[in-house]
Amino acid sequence: NAGVTQTPKFRILKIGQSMTLQCTQDMNHNYMYWYRQDPGMGLKLIYYSVGAGITDKGEVPNGYNVSRSTTEDFPLRLELAAPSQTSVYFCASSLGGDGNTIYFGEGSWLTVV
Amino acid sequence: RKEVEQDPGPFNVPEGATVAFNCTYSNSASQSFFWYRQDCRKEPKLLMSVYSSGNEDGRFTAQLNRASQYISLLIRDSKLSDSATYLCVVPKQQGNTPLVFGKGTRLSVIA
Repeated sequence: NAGVTQTPKFRILKIGQSMTLQCTQDMNHNYMYWYRQDPGMGLKLIYYSVGAGITDKGEVPNGYNVSRSTTEDFPLRLELAAPSQTSVYFCASSLGGDGNTIYFGEGSWLTVV
Repeated sequence: RKEVEQDPGPFNVPEGATVAFNCTYSNSASQSFFWYRQDCRKEPKLLMSVYSSGNEDGRFTAQLNRASQYISLLIRDSKLSDSATYLCVVPKQQGNTPLVFGKGTRLSVIA
C-alpha cells in the first residue's frame, strides 16, 4: 500500500543544473499536485493536474515544468536550478478536487548551491 | 481578506489543557473545509473534515461559522503527541481548482 512515492528524498544541485523529481501514486487518483514548502512557511502550489494529459499552473510555476502522460506519474522538472529553489517539495494526489482528501508523499529535500 | 488566514502561533500549552485555533477564509461559496496536521519535517496528513454541523473525533472538534467565515479546531486534554503544525484547508473556488492551504498554526504541548 505505497500511496504517493517521490524520489529522490535528498538532493544537492549546483546552480544551473537541471533535474527531475519523480512522483508516482498507486491509488488511481485523477488529481496530482506539486507543492514546495520553504522553512517555516506554508505550502505553495507549483503545478497540478486533473488527469492524464492535463496540467495547469499553480501559484509559483516559474522555473519548473511538469508532464502527466499516465494517471500514475507526475514528474517535476527543474530547469537551470537557482538558490531560490532550495526547498522541500511535496507531491500529492487526490481522487477528485474540492472535497477530497489529499495524500502527500514524504517530501524531497532539495538544496541548490 | 486573504483566501485563508491562520494565527501562526506558536501556542505553548501544558499537557491536559484545552486549546483552540481559528482560521478565516474569503470564499463565501466554499463548501468543504479541512484540518491537516504536519509534524516537523514530515508531510501533511488529514486530521479531520469540517462539516456544517460540526465534527467531533475523540478529543478534537472542528466547527464552521459561515456567517463570520471561519473554521475552528478545538483540542481537549492536550497530549505531548499533539505537538505539530495544524493547517487549515479551504477551497479556492468551485470546480477543479485545488484546495488552498493556510500557513499553519504551530502547537507545542509542554510536560
